[in-house]
Amino acid sequence: AQSVTQLDSHVSVSEGTPVLLRCNYSSSYSPSLFWYVQHPNKGLQLLLKYTSAATLVKGINGFEAEFKKSETSFHLTKPSAHMSDAAEYFCVVSDYNQGGKLIFGQGTELSVKP
Amino acid sequence: DGGITQSPKYLFRKEGQNVTLSCEQNLNHDAMYWYRQDPGQGLRLIYYSQIVNDFQKGDIAEGYSVSREKKESFPLTVTSAQKNPTAFYLCASGRDRVLVAGELFFGEGSRLTVL
Repeated sequence: AQSVTQLDSHVSVSEGTPVLLRCNYSSSYSPSLFWYVQHPNKGLQLLLKYTSAATLVKGINGFEAEFKKSETSFHLTKPSAHMSDAAEYFCVVSDYNQGGKLIFGQGTELSVKP
Repeated sequence: DGGITQSPKYLFRKEGQNVTLSCEQNLNHDAMYWYRQDPGQGLRLIYYSQIVNDFQKGDIAEGYSVSREKKESFPLTVTSAQKNPTAFYLCASGRDRVLVAGELFFGEGSRLTVL
């Protein structure tokens, strides 16, 4: 079965510094991978998705992620954090063995200090 | 504006009571989903529906029930059989009829607290 592991439950950065949120996946197939963001007491919003096209994927709000098959990773980055980036981020893989069912990671909470 | 509306946003329930959470979408999506979110955990799938009058159990369906009488509506009932119902519940919809990888659109959630 496919799975996803987010390596940090909490990340804290200062405003204006780079953001790195780490995600490793396990998949028997070429996976589809996603990053979603959730602000407090809100629903989730898609940041970006990888579906076997370009390995470097650009998303909304300046975020991007790179698919590295050799490392089974799909880390999320942003060059310069903004206060509004403070939220919880979920790495998600689509499980083809279960009809494309989405498997969510446990989430990484991003704090941004002024 | 198109989107998903969940209500109520906050709900308190006494033990032994059933409660129903509403989910309405005007995106004309075929597929709808209910997820449960607990602190420090990812989202877990409760039920999903690919088409009107049809729905399937997800990973944690015990103690929950749903209906899909209209394309726009997918209400979730949390029954007294659900042993630990206090959680944040999220409804989502997707363009695809099957669980194909694609963007899900989420409502803002309903927070249920059992007293």
